[in-house]
Amino acid sequence: EPEVTQTPSHQVTQMGQEVILRCVPISNHLYFYWYRQILGQKVEFLVSFYNNEISEKSEIFDDQFSVERPDGSNFTLKIRSTKLEDSAMYFCASILPPFDTQYFGPGTRLTVL
Amino acid sequence: SQQGEEDPQALSIQEGENATMNCSYKTSINNLQWYRQNSGRGLVHLILIRSNEREKHSGRLRVTLDTSKKSSSLLITASRAADTASYFCATPSGGGADGLTFGKGTHLIIQP
Repeated sequence: EPEVTQTPSHQVTQMGQEVILRCVPISNHLYFYWYRQILGQKVEFLVSFYNNEISEKSEIFDDQFSVERPDGSNFTLKIRSTKLEDSAMYFCASILPPFDTQYFGPGTRLTVL
Repeated sequence: SQQGEEDPQALSIQEGENATMNCSYKTSINNLQWYRQNSGRGLVHLILIRSNEREKHSGRLRVTLDTSKKSSSLLITASRAADTASYFCATPSGGGADGLTFGKGTHLIIQP
């Protein structure tokens, strides 16, 4: 069964460094999403992406964040200058309209030191 | 306003019993989805119920939706130890392809 994959599973970085989190959505899906979950808290929406542009973003998704679909398969989240509070689990998801079910990847645990 | 607030926050039952979790939301929705998350793992989609549906079944899962009360419930029948996890309801902010707003979840523990 097709699934969303994410790499790496765990990323450790120093405060102020740039990180890129990678996702491979399900191949025929059209909408792509990033969410984050700070330890012990609820899952929060960051951004959605459709037709090579951002379609929706939350207040969390500020200028430090960017997304890109550099080729036909990868979908990336870049954090330009990481802060301690960026430490969280980051999930990628994708859907194929008209079906509204979002399929999530296993997540990348980002630890900022 | 908060969308998708679940209760109870934690639930502990014996294996074989039924588990019921509730979710309330504040604004109109296109659909409501339930997800499961095992500790430290990803989100597994369980079931989606649309705003024009009242009840839906999938295996041992039964979901109801009451749009007049802005609430949903997830029933897991004949619980198993493997059902131990956190359960979240989530709703899109607008149309079906919008980002999901999650609740804080119900942590379910099934005692063997």
